[in-house]
Amino acid sequence: FMLTQPHSVSESPGKTITISCTRSSGNIASNYVQWYQQRPGSAPTTVIFEDNQRPSGVPDRFSGSIDSSSNSASLTISVLMTEDEGAYYCQSYDSDNHVVFGGGTTLTVL
Amino acid sequence: QVQLQESGPGLVKPSETLSLTCAVSGFSISRGYWWGWIRQPPGKGLEWIGSVYHSGTTRNNPSLKSRATISIDTSRNQFSLKVTSLTAADTAVYYCARGLSAGDPSWGRGMLVTVSS
Repeated sequence: FMLTQPHSVSESPGKTITISCTRSSGNIASNYVQWYQQRPGSAPTTVIFEDNQRPSGVPDRFSGSIDSSSNSASLTISVLMTEDEGAYYCQSYDSDNHVVFGGGTTLTVL
Repeated sequence: QVQLQESGPGLVKPSETLSLTCAVSGFSISRGYWWGWIRQPPGKGLEWIGSVYHSGTTRNNPSLKSRATISIDTSRNQFSLKVTSLTAADTAVYYCARGLSAGDPSWGRGMLVTVSS
């Protein structure tokens, strides 16, 4: 299966954005979805795991959800800050533990 | 807190084999989890290469056409990646990671591998 994300999104500081991640086949709810933030020159870091869980240290401005009706997952970032800029990747897996990444979404905070 | 550190050559020649190791500290890999390798070509997105379970069971990305082999060494608390028949298209930052299917995933810092003569 594939995970499809928008290529880019931009918004002003203080606003809220949502990045979608649509699964092409299979039920989005069947396997956990993770979200990673990657700043230029750095390794990815987890901002959401197991659909909607935040690692310690990740602010509650970040939240994750899944929607079975659209077979997609979403990452929502509220009260945008310039430090939130970077690439965001969704990731999931199939029933045989083959891992799939989305193509990534570049977030620009204007 | 678990930490992962990739090691290996930063430059390899075309047609040769790449060997990388991921040393794990702060957690015993024999306790569980899938342990994975991911790569990122310059300016591109993340690509899963494959994963190994603490039992030694592996899963590979078919896109690498069986060129990748992943193994685990619980006695040394590390796991490894070999990629054969290298081409310039294999130039990438290679990451190792824990738990891409359950729990809070942890990633190494990554290392750049360049394939060039």
